[in-house]
Amino acid sequence: QVQLQEWGARLLKPSETLSLTCAVYGGSFSPYYWNWVRQPPGKGLEWIGEISHSGTTRYNPSLKSRVTFSLDPSQSLFSLRLSSVTAADTAVYYCARADTDYPTIWGQGILVTVAA
Amino acid sequence: QVVLTQSPSASASLGASVKLTCTLSSDHSTFAIAWHQQQPEKGPRYLMKVDSDGSHTKGDGIPDRFSGSSSGAERYLTISSLRSEDEADYYCQTWGRGTQVFGGGTKVTVL
Repeated sequence: QVQLQEWGARLLKPSETLSLTCAVYGGSFSPYYWNWVRQPPGKGLEWIGEISHSGTTRYNPSLKSRVTFSLDPSQSLFSLRLSSVTAADTAVYYCARADTDYPTIWGQGILVTVAA
Repeated sequence: QVVLTQSPSASASLGASVKLTCTLSSDHSTFAIAWHQQQPEKGPRYLMKVDSDGSHTKGDGIPDRFSGSSSGAERYLTISSLRSEDEADYYCQTWGRGTQVFGGGTKVTVL
């Protein structure tokens, strides 16, 4: 059974860079698409973007200028970096696996708080 | 850009059925969508993909009580024989032109 687990810094100051990593347990890295989705407290889901097993990336246009994805198939890891964070970036961040166009396996999420 | 519209809330009694609607914006009425369930304090769980012809593909272990259907620009999720654990937020999601979009979610209350 495939499981995903996020980790990274949980408390950031404004202007810092958010950095999260997702570990993939129990499954192969290809031929899947590795997604990041976030959820501000009390609000709905927002797609951040994805990186494919071959390194192709897609982004939410509203976040594209601040987002970087990377992956390390040898370690079954993929990562998200979001630069110049503000309080509006406070959210639970989920990693997820997609077979094609939509996530079918989700991580449990990690709350990242941005505060001065 | 495609927009998905969901009613904020729905409710039904224990053992009854509830039908949730996800409406695609104009010019996108043929798009498929996916439904995800989010129980309180948990991460989302993929339920099923629903195509424009009403066919649906469920995720592993999703009970038969959950079914999908379509009509025009509307995509539906029907939950039958409601249980207390079905009380959750339900999100629809679609994709196209290199991006993905979520609806605002529907909170289902089991009375």
